[in-house]
Amino acid sequence: AQSVSQHNHHVILSEAASLELGCNYSYGGTVNLFWYVQYPGQHLQLLLKYFSGDPLVKGIKGFEAEFIKSKFSFNLRKPSVQWSDTAEYFCAVSLNNAGNMLTFGGGTRLMVKP
Amino acid sequence: DTGVSQDPRHKITKRGQNVTFRCDPISEHNRLYWYRQTLGQGPEFLTYFQNEAQLEKSRLLSDRFSAERPKGSFSTLEIQRTEQGDSAMYLCASSFGTAVEAFFGQGTRLTVV
Repeated sequence: AQSVSQHNHHVILSEAASLELGCNYSYGGTVNLFWYVQYPGQHLQLLLKYFSGDPLVKGIKGFEAEFIKSKFSFNLRKPSVQWSDTAEYFCAVSLNNAGNMLTFGGGTRLMVKP
Repeated sequence: DTGVSQDPRHKITKRGQNVTFRCDPISEHNRLYWYRQTLGQGPEFLTYFQNEAQLEKSRLLSDRFSAERPKGSFSTLEIQRTEQGDSAMYLCASSFGTAVEAFFGQGTRLTVV
């Protein structure tokens, strides 16, 4: 079975700092990759997804992620965070033919100090 | 609001009681998913439906759990003889097809006392 690891459980940044959240998965086959965000008191929302093609994926709110197949990684980046980016971020993977049957990582709680 | 709707938002129940949650997906979404999220963890897949057919069930879904989607629209998740370990947030998501975004509801938080 596939698994997803998010190594940073808590991250604290000041506004305008750059962000990179790590995500590694274990599965040898073709996967679909996702980053979801959960703002305080709100539901999970999709930030970006990778199915195929360009491994550098751009999402909403200035986020991007790069799929590096050789490293089984799909790290999330943002050049300059804002206080409103304070949220919990989840990396997720599904098998190529499994659509939205997602395996999630444990999440990274990001706090951005104003 | 035309998003995924879950009811109730919160449920407190005594151990041993049965509970039922409801999920109304986005209209015309043919796929519906249930996940469970415990404190400090990411969501864990429980089961999914394509229209009214339940196509996949996780090993997490013990015999005390049953899910239905009788008319291919709303879905219910029932937990019989609740245990304290069932305390969690139960999330529902829906999508149209597979290679597209799944939209999540706000969840039902279950507390078993």
